[in-house]
Amino acid sequence: TQLLEQSPQFLSIQEGENLTVYCNSSSVFSSLQWYRQEPGEGPVLLVTVVTGGEVKKLKRLTFQFGDARKDSSLHITAAQPGDTGLYLCAGPYSGGGADGLTFGKGTHLIIQP
Amino acid sequence: NAGVTQTPKFQVLKTGQSMTLQCAQDMNHNSMYWYRQDPGMGLRLIYYSASEGTTDKGEVPNGYNVSRLNKREFSLRLESAAPSQTSVYFCASSDPPGELFFGEGSRLTVL
Repeated sequence: TQLLEQSPQFLSIQEGENLTVYCNSSSVFSSLQWYRQEPGEGPVLLVTVVTGGEVKKLKRLTFQFGDARKDSSLHITAAQPGDTGLYLCAGPYSGGGADGLTFGKGTHLIIQP
Repeated sequence: NAGVTQTPKFQVLKTGQSMTLQCAQDMNHNSMYWYRQDPGMGLRLIYYSASEGTTDKGEVPNGYNVSRLNKREFSLRLESAAPSQTSVYFCASSDPPGELFFGEGSRLTVL
């Protein structure tokens, strides 16, 4: 079983601060995805990273895929209350994308005004 | 703009009762999935269907059955509900290896 470990599990910071959350595995993934989930809703895709060392930016969010494709990070600059949510990383099961994704347990992020 | 629709959104069952969670997608996706989400456990795959007419077990299939009725619909059945099946259930669809599109979830409580 491919495991994705996310850290920290919980993070509460003030508006305007920067933060980084991590997604680590002992397995190599062909790609990793990051989702954000708000209360009462399903997860929504933020980004997919495919190439080792890849960096993608989505406004104030920066995603990086490790060179060995075993880990990823999400950095948020100048966090806003609207960034509050559960951030999940996910990668394909070893059988490929059609077999679904395996998810980390997530980072619960709270941005206080 | 429906995407993935799940019914019911909330359900309370007594131990031993049966029920079916319904899921339909209007994006013409080939693959559909059922996940459960529990505090501290994250999202875990119960069953998936890579195409119409096929289904396969995921990580936690025990106590569940599924039916891929057609390309649009994928149902999850609990034949004899147990308190351990209290959870939030999410249906999702995709055209692999792309994005998973999730429904809003079905919150099930088994007493």
